[in-house]
Parts: sequence; C-alpha cells; structure tokens
Amino acid sequence: KAGVTQTPRYLIKTRGQQVTLSCSPISGHRSVSWYQQTPGQGLQFLFEYFSETQRNKGNFPGRFSGRQFSNSRSEMNVSTLELGDSALYLCASSLRLPNTGELFFGEGSRLTVL
Amino acid sequence: AQKVTQAQTEISVVEKEDVTLDCVYETRDTTYYLFWYKQPPSGELVFLIRRNSFDEQNEISGRYSWNFQKSTSSFNFTITASQVVDSAVYFCALRVNNAGNMLTFGGGTRLMVKP
Repeated sequence: KAGVTQTPRYLIKTRGQQVTLSCSPISGHRSVSWYQQTPGQGLQFLFEYFSETQRNKGNFPGRFSGRQFSNSRSEMNVSTLELGDSALYLCASSLRLPNTGELFFGEGSRLTVL
Repeated sequence: AQKVTQAQTEISVVEKEDVTLDCVYETRDTTYYLFWYKQPPSGELVFLIRRNSFDEQNEISGRYSWNFQKSTSSFNFTITASQVVDSAVYFCALRVNNAGNMLTFGGGTRLMVKP
C-alpha cells in the first residue's frame, strides 16, 4: 500500500513569507503528527492530529500551525518565515492515537529560507 | 520531561565489523515505549523496533539485536557483520503513555560502513 506522501519535497522561500506543507497519511490511518528536523536541534515534535482535532502540541511559536481534514490529510503552515525555520519537516501517520505500534514517516519536505 | 541521549554522534566501521549504537533515556513514567528508527539519505524514518517498558527481553532480528536494560535506562542496538547498506543515521526514541503519539528523539548516530 502507498506510504505517507508529503508535498512539496523541496521548496525555497524568503524571510517573511509563509509556507504550507501537505501530508497524506497511509490509507486508513487517522492520526498525523509533524516533526521538524534541523542539524542543531535534531528531531522535534511540532503537533499531532486525530479526527481533525489537534491533540498535542510541541514547544513552537504560534507561527507554526496545522490542521487535519476529514479524509485525514493534514497541512502545516509556517507564517512570517525566519532563517531558522530552514529544516526537513517530517510527517508521520498511525492508525490511532495513542498508537502502541510504530509511526510511519514520509520522506519529508525540505524547506530552505533565504 | 523525557530525554533521550545518543552519545555517539558518528561511528565509522569497516564492513563485516560488529557495531553497537548506544541509547540512554530518562523518564519518570512507568509505562513507556522505546523505538529505533533508521534514516537513509532519502529522509524518511524507517521503523526498526519497538519495545515497551514491561518487556525487557532482548530481541534479535537477522543481523540486528537490541539490548534493553531498565536498570541502566539503556536500549542499545547492535548490528552484526555490518554492511555498506547499513550506512545511515539511526535514532532512538521514547514515547510515554500519556503523550499521544509524541516521540522524543535522541540526537542520532551517523553510522558509516566502509567497504
């Protein structure tokens, strides 16, 4: 079956712009979570969604937001981009929340902020 | 708060050598889950193993084995007879029982296996 799909895979933005990233979970999975990966901070949890509701949120400023649609697809948005937002953004899906099994990750969206 | 430490940032071995990746975790929760993920250059995190806090039995899967010791809060990963295809970044992660699916990751260990 198809894995977790993230679009776009690569994008370049300038400071002050905003960006929207998309994540399509594995079919049947209802939970989606987002992570930011940077060389300095490593992998950090952003937020997670289940049944269109944000269930947990990491320690990120309000410029980072997300949502989940009725078909479980999720988007995350970063407004007023800063250079430090350059990162690989990874989406993960699972059947349920909480899920005792593993999370399935996409290949990520690599954002470069100039 | 939870914390995962992978003290080895980079390891280089020659093919066929055995290598152990260390992982130490901190949590006050009594119910938790530990994971290892592999990140190849393509970027996605590939699941390798999950272990819950009540199951200290070690596990072997082919050339991979894991040693979970609650007494030392460690969950180490050994690759036997390493291969070039094992080259990747490996992450240890922790999930506690009351935090949804949120994973706390270690900093990762970059493993380079040279032919």
